[in-house]
Amino acid sequence: GAVVSQHPSWVICKSGTSVKIECRSLDFQATTMFWYRQFPKQSLMLMATSNEGSKATYEQGVEKDKFLINHASLTLSTLTVTSAHPEDSSFYICSAEETTRETQYFGPGTRLLVL
Amino acid sequence: AQSVTQPDIHITVSEGASLELRCNYSYGATPYLFWYVQSPGQGLQLLLKYFSGDTLVQGIKGFEAEFKRSQSSFNLRKPSVHWSDAAEYFCAVAGNNQGGKLIFGQGTELSVKP
Repeated sequence: GAVVSQHPSWVICKSGTSVKIECRSLDFQATTMFWYRQFPKQSLMLMATSNEGSKATYEQGVEKDKFLINHASLTLSTLTVTSAHPEDSSFYICSAEETTRETQYFGPGTRLLVL
Repeated sequence: AQSVTQPDIHITVSEGASLELRCNYSYGATPYLFWYVQSPGQGLQLLLKYFSGDTLVQGIKGFEAEFKRSQSSFNLRKPSVHWSDAAEYFCAVAGNNQGGKLIFGQGTELSVKP
């Protein structure tokens, strides 16, 4: 149980285009999902907290107009990187909080490469 | 402010040897503590967690961790390491009034030599 999927696992795009990443909790409902960014050989950096049916809460320094988050249902959150640039290239990981266990379960990550 | 420190960036152990990965935290109240493992290019898998109760916690894959309040530590241990344990290990802390936010340590990369 407690499986989280992400799609796509890999994406390559041209600079200036937008990319959408989906995060799904497959066997549980998640009121809260989190989006992280991870640079090579580094820890995870929390970008934003996504609550179902409300606006996401962004961490300091994260541009909310750049990284659009939508959490339309209890099993799906999406992160859209708008007008992507090479510096947005990174590994993006989502997690979903299984409320009854007060535990975050992580997706497999999405590697984004912006050319 | 809450923080998590993993003092060892990289550890190498021989297959079959015992393992201890260190984790120290700074948190005002009793924290929720987690250990996650990440294989290259993958997401994080939960190994174990501590919320309350018995301070020695058993996890998956033969791992265990011990919460020591006096030392603000939550070290991860395994009596006999397997080559497949080579990965990055993250310690994390959450507060029960932090909206579920996790604060991660820097990670410890484990290499296993035959």
